[in-house]
Amino acid sequence: KNEVEQSPQNLTAQEGEFITINCSYSVGISALHWLQQHPGGGIVSLFMLSSGKKKHGRLIATINIQEKHSSLHITASHPRDSAVYICAVNSPNSGGSNYKLTFGKGTLLTVNP
Amino acid sequence: GAVVSQHPSWVICKSGTSVKIECRSLDFQATTMFWYRQFPKQSLMLMATSNEGSKATYEQGVEKDKFLINHASLTLSTLTVTSAHPEDSSFYICSARRLALFEQYFGPGTRLTVT
Repeated sequence: KNEVEQSPQNLTAQEGEFITINCSYSVGISALHWLQQHPGGGIVSLFMLSSGKKKHGRLIATINIQEKHSSLHITASHPRDSAVYICAVNSPNSGGSNYKLTFGKGTLLTVNP
Repeated sequence: GAVVSQHPSWVICKSGTSVKIECRSLDFQATTMFWYRQFPKQSLMLMATSNEGSKATYEQGVEKDKFLINHASLTLSTLTVTSAHPEDSSFYICSARRLALFEQYFGPGTRLTVT
């Protein structure tokens, strides 16, 4: 079982729909990241969370430390939101550094006009 | 916001040659930089962790003599793929960690094609 699980793997929505992507993790973490990767490869860091909720424009990220769960919400989705969304966590590793990231497999979001 | 650049954004080279990829933090000092490799439709795979002024720490299975990493300053890390082979063709991404906490910023990636 992966330490970081995302659902769904694929998501297709119509423009304007409210979208939720989920991330569950099984390890203790220091922080959780939501990343966006567009076709062509570049990665953008959307949020870094250690507790509570953050909002940036139409994007909202929440985390529940007790339940080891985070969600990424997109309101009023748009075709330009089509991308792979990746959840990643900072957790202590055997080497003693807790700056390494463990990645989920990503959620491919397609928003149709 | 913090910006990380990579150069080149794409490169084609012949088998047996070496290729250097640069990762720069443009507006902050990065004590730690990470190098990742990504195959099509797969997640990022950490190759090595690079700390300024010290030797890089490589992940299990990554050949340190093939993937040379140098982190000479707080704003620059380089990855050199030596004796490139078609199997090295991949998307290489770096990220840089700010001095404070766990903030990590990703570069745009470099697509390497070895012919």
